[in-house]
Amino acid sequence: NAGVTQTPKFRVLKTGQSMTLLCAQDMNHEYMYWYRQDPGMGLRLIHYSVGEGTTAKGEVPDGYNVSRLKKQNFLLGLESAAPSQTSVYFCASSYSTGSGEQYFGPGTRLTVT
Amino acid sequence: KNQVEQSPQSLIILEGKNCTLQCNYTVSPFSNLRWYKQDTGRGPVSLTIMTFSENTKSNGRYTATLDADTKQSSLHITASQLSDSASYICVVSEGGTGFQKLVFGTGTRLLVSP
Repeated sequence: NAGVTQTPKFRVLKTGQSMTLLCAQDMNHEYMYWYRQDPGMGLRLIHYSVGEGTTAKGEVPDGYNVSRLKKQNFLLGLESAAPSQTSVYFCASSYSTGSGEQYFGPGTRLTVT
Repeated sequence: KNQVEQSPQSLIILEGKNCTLQCNYTVSPFSNLRWYKQDTGRGPVSLTIMTFSENTKSNGRYTATLDADTKQSSLHITASQLSDSASYICVVSEGGTGFQKLVFGTGTRLLVSP
C-alpha cells in the first residue's frame, strides 16, 4: 500500500515549456486535490476532483489544467510555465470532503527559470 | 476572509522539554480543525482532527485543544524528541453544504536541539 505517490520529485523548466505532474493513489479515494506550497504562505488549492471524470477549480487555478480519467490518477498540467509557478506541488486524496482526512503525497519541487 | 494564523513562526527547544503551539482562526462556518506535521521535504501528515464538540484530542505525545467559542487551538508536545523537528500546520475545514475547503495556516517551524 503505497498511499499517494507523485512523479517527478524534481523538475526544472524554462519559461514557456509545458509539463505534466502525475499523482496516483491506491486507497480507492473518491476525492483528489492539487495544492501548491510557497514560502511564507499556507498550502493553496489549485484544482480538485470529486470523482472519476470530474474536476473543479480551487483557489489558484490560473495557468493549470487537470484531468481525472481514472479514479486512481490525477494529472496536473502546465501548458506554458511561468516563473510565478515555481513552487512545491502536493497531491492529496481523501475518502470524503470536509470531515475526511486528506493523505498527502511527497511533493514535486518545480523551478521555472 | 477566512484565515488561520499560527504563532510562533519558529521555535527552538531542548530535547526533552515541552512546548505549545498556537492557532487562531476566523473560518466560518466551521467543520473541523486539524493539525499536521510536515517534515522537511515531505508532505504533511495528519496528527489530529477535532470537531466542534471536541475540546481535547491526543495522539501519543501530541495533545491538541480546541476552544470553538474563542476560535483558538493549541498543540502541546510533551517530552520533545529530535524527530519532532518539523513544521506544524493548523488547518481548518470550512463547514456548510457542498465541497468543504481546507484553510491552511503558514505553520510553526519547530527545531528540537540536543
